[in-house]
Amino acid sequence: RKEVEQDPGPFNVPEGATVAFNCTYSNSASQSFFWYRQDCRKEPKLLMSVYSSGNEDGRFTAQLNRASQYISLLIRDSKLSDSATYLCVVDDSWGKLQFGAGTQVVVTP
Amino acid sequence: DTEVTQTPKHLVMGMTNKKSLKCEQHMGHRAMYWYKQKAKKPPELMFVYSYEKLSINESVPSRFSPECPNSSLLNLHLHALQPEDSALYLCASSQGRGSGGPTDTQYFGPGTRLTVL
Repeated sequence: RKEVEQDPGPFNVPEGATVAFNCTYSNSASQSFFWYRQDCRKEPKLLMSVYSSGNEDGRFTAQLNRASQYISLLIRDSKLSDSATYLCVVDDSWGKLQFGAGTQVVVTP
Repeated sequence: DTEVTQTPKHLVMGMTNKKSLKCEQHMGHRAMYWYKQKAKKPPELMFVYSYEKLSINESVPSRFSPECPNSSLLNLHLHALQPEDSALYLCASSQGRGSGGPTDTQYFGPGTRLTVL
């Protein structure tokens, strides 16, 4: 079983629509949770850290459900520039980050 | 400023060559990382330096040799690589608050795209 699992997609989203996807993790001792976005042939860039209380950054909302061991990302009012692969990243409780395989989002005009 | 720089951007080398990848950050971070990323796969951790000391080596072949000359610089020396080593090599850094507690956010450089012929 993978430590961090994501639906690979692609999620095809009309511009202006809302898209949401989850990521599950296996280590109940994990303490740090992040969403990174990665454009094709570029480096991962931090989108947001995910906190227990949930957090919002503009059109992006992240939630953490520790009981069910998943985190979610919701993108409202999708823009063409939101097209990317979204990497779910969770720590292994020993200071290393574990990456999901990524969820591809394609926003279409 | 959350900038990590890497040079070169692209590198093509033969299997008998020796080359080095360089990474630099000026954020005062004390942890630095090397990752390898193949196409359509997530980054895979190779090495971690914490306070200029190698703290994690993820069983990486000895043809990859990391070096941390000071807290701002991280090198990856390459020798006798194989074609399957072709990948994007990413450097990252984080504050490095030591073990225990939440893991710090890591900031990635743009990577070096390596091709081994």
